[in-house]
Amino acid sequence: EPEVTQTPSHQVTQMGQEVILRCVPISNHLYFYWYRQILGQKVEFLVSFYNNEISEKSEIFDDQFSVERPDGSNFTLKIRSTKLEDSAMYFCASRGTGRGNIQYFGAGTRLSVL
Amino acid sequence: ILNVEQSPQSLHVQEGDSTNFTCSFPSSNFYALHWYRWETAKSPEALFVMTLNGDEKKKGRISATLNTKEGYSYLYIKGSQPEDSATYLCAPGGIYFGSGTKLNVKP
Repeated sequence: EPEVTQTPSHQVTQMGQEVILRCVPISNHLYFYWYRQILGQKVEFLVSFYNNEISEKSEIFDDQFSVERPDGSNFTLKIRSTKLEDSAMYFCASRGTGRGNIQYFGAGTRLSVL
Repeated sequence: ILNVEQSPQSLHVQEGDSTNFTCSFPSSNFYALHWYRWETAKSPEALFVMTLNGDEKKKGRISATLNTKEGYSYLYIKGSQPEDSATYLCAPGGIYFGSGTKLNVKP
């Protein structure tokens, strides 16, 4: 079965450093998403991406965050200057077109900001 | 951001019990409702996407109903098994998640 893959599985970084989290969505999917889950809290929507642009973003997704689809297969989330509170599990998801299509989630990247 | 409420927060049942939990959401501008099953240390796994008022979906022993006019959905598990132990999340619009109902099924 096709799957969404995320790399790395665990990223450790120093506060203030830039990180890039990578995702390879399912190949024929057109909608892409980033979510995060801070330990012990609920899954939070960050951003959705369609047709090479952001279609929706939450208030969490401020100027420190950006997304890109650099080569038609990867979908990346960049955090410019990480803060301690950015430590979380980051999930990528993708889905096909159509209102009834389900989202497929990757296994996540655990980001630890020290 | 949608105000999504799930209840109960947690549930402990015995193997074989049937159980149900609720997802409440604003009924205006409804688009779709997603239900996910999330096991510890894994990624959320989609169970259902429901789009129409009155929708009923079923997958094995798990089923769900949707009322878009009053803004709620029920998830039912018939004859719970230990492997059903997980957190069940709903997401109106597919992106704004509730806090989930954590189900623990004891053998």
